[in-house]
Amino acid sequence: KAGVTQTPRYLIKTRGQQVTLSCSPISGHRSVSWYQQTPGQGLQFLFEYFSETQRNKGNFPGRFSGRQFSNSRSEMNVSTLELGDSALYLCASSAWTSGTNEQFFGPGTRLTVL
Amino acid sequence: QKEVEQDPGPLSVPEGAIVSLNCTYSNSAFQYFMWYRQYSRKGPELLMYTYSSGNKEDGRFTAQVDKSSKYISLFIRDSQPSDSATYLCAMRNSGNTPLVFGKGTRLSVIA
Repeated sequence: KAGVTQTPRYLIKTRGQQVTLSCSPISGHRSVSWYQQTPGQGLQFLFEYFSETQRNKGNFPGRFSGRQFSNSRSEMNVSTLELGDSALYLCASSAWTSGTNEQFFGPGTRLTVL
Repeated sequence: QKEVEQDPGPLSVPEGAIVSLNCTYSNSAFQYFMWYRQYSRKGPELLMYTYSSGNKEDGRFTAQVDKSSKYISLFIRDSQPSDSATYLCAMRNSGNTPLVFGKGTRLSVIA
């Protein structure tokens, strides 16, 4: 079974631009979560989508948004990029078939904002 | 105080040593506890998962949860150079609440 895939793997943008990242979950998984990972703050939860609905949201500004499609693929968008948005953005999928809701991570998209 | 505290290390041990990694937390509502391993330039992979208090063993890895002390541990026996990675603890209230991660401990196992 293929794992979680994320595209692109690397991105370089300049301040003020916007960016869209894509995540394809493991086949059959309906939940997709997004995280930001930085050396200073570690892994921080952005949001979670389940069956095209946002189920949970972390404490990030409105410049960060996401959506999920009917095939469970998800995208996240960051508008008006700031230098501090440079990070590894990780996507995780889960089957959500039991109380465990184990999450499986993709390799991440490394975003650099210049 | 952050919800989950984890010593960032780095921790360097000789091959074959027993490694102890720990996290403390402040939210008594956490019930699900996980350990992830993250190699450089990779996403985290789930190593161990524990519900509530107790121990869980899987090969060379043992996870312990002490909810009364709000303290979790991961032990690695007979450590190998391939265990060199960053280890992240994570926890959540229930199955559909977000994971809260520690910052991770970087481990190096020297041959």
